[in-house]
This record gives sequence, structure tokens and C-alpha cells, in this order.
Amino acid sequence: NAGVTQTPKFRVLKTGQSMTLLCAQDMNHEYMYWYRQDPGMGLRLIHYSVGEGTTAKGEVPDGYNVSRLKKQNFLLGLESAAPSQTSVYFCASSYDRGHGSRSYEQYFGPGTRLTVT
Amino acid sequence: AQSVSQHNHHVILSEAASLELGCNYSYGGTVNLFWYVQYPGQHLQLLLKYFSGDPLVKGIKGFEAEFIKSKFSFNLRKPSVQWSDTAEYFCAVNAKSGAGSYQLTFGKGTKLSVIP
Repeated sequence: NAGVTQTPKFRVLKTGQSMTLLCAQDMNHEYMYWYRQDPGMGLRLIHYSVGEGTTAKGEVPDGYNVSRLKKQNFLLGLESAAPSQTSVYFCASSYDRGHGSRSYEQYFGPGTRLTVT
Repeated sequence: AQSVSQHNHHVILSEAASLELGCNYSYGGTVNLFWYVQYPGQHLQLLLKYFSGDPLVKGIKGFEAEFIKSKFSFNLRKPSVQWSDTAEYFCAVNAKSGAGSYQLTFGKGTKLSVIP
């Protein structure tokens, strides 16, 4: 199993440009998440999904959109990038309840380092 | 909404010293608790987790954590650190959000530097 993969690994955007980050998981997890990590701030949840076709806002959703058309993929879009969105983005996935101690344990992807100039 | 506090931003230890990283959370209901580690330039990996049962949980690489319900704490310990333990450590709490789904809330992280 590849686990959780993210593409691209690095990207530089100019202010106002758009892009989509792709997250894929091959563990048949129901839940998927997008976080951003900034120095001294820990991980903050942007959006998440509890199943195919469903998405919900997390702690810091402004400026981002997401879609989960297939169970294994979770896309994060930036419609008009801003310098404040310079960050490292992590995708994660987990089982829902009903999987004992494996429930809710999140598996993380390698991250995408995004710089907006 | 739940919150997680990690007491130390940066801890510096010599090799073989003992480690204890504090974590407190605020949530009144049933929680699942996790410690994740992030080595430099890498993604987060699970160190250990608490779901139920014995409040003393053992994880990988000699780490352990103790869940003390009355103190809302889940402190991470290791008796003797190594240079390879240099990393950032995140405590996380999984609890029901206002929307009814389960979300993981992370602390801001503690950076551990181990000096050879």
C-alpha cells in the first residue's frame, strides 16, 4: 500500500493564481482531511470529508475549496492565491468509528510546500 | 469546542536525559488521545494512542504516555532520549465536534532538540 500520497510536493504561485492539490489514499478510509502547518501554530484543519460526495469546513476554511468525488481522492483548491496561504499542506485520512482502536487514527501524507509570492 | 495545550514550545536535552512533554486538553466527554512525531522535513507519524483501558500507553521507540482523566492530561515520557529523537511532537485529541462528526484537534507542538 502506498498509504496517503500528495501531489505536487512543491509549488510556487504568484498572487492571484489558482491551483489544485491532490490527495489520494488506498486504505479505503472514510474520512479525509486537509491541514495547513505554519511555524508555532501546529496543524490547523482547513476542510474535511466524512465520505464520498461530502465536505465540511474546518477551523480555517477561507480561501480554499475542496471536493471528494471519489472515496480515495480529496482535492484542495485555491481559487486566487494570497501570500497568507504560503504554508505546508498535509492531507490525512482515517477510518470512521466501528474499527476499534484503529478508528480515527489519522495517516498523513508527505506534505506539499506552497509558496505564494 | 475542544482545545489542546502543550506547555513547552522548545525543549533542549542532552542525550540520556529523561523526557516529559506536557499535554492538557479541554473536553468533557469521551476522548481518544494521540501523540504524533514529525522528524525534520518529514510528515507526521503516530507515536502512540489511547482509546480505553490501561491509562499507561506504550508506543514506538521507547515512548510512553499516561492518561490522567481527572487532570485532563496526556503527558509523553521517555526515560532516556537519543539524538535521533530530535523532532517536533504534537499532542492531539479526537472528540465529537459541534457538527456531530469526530475531529482531531492538535496542540501547537513541542520542538525537542537532543544534544549529543
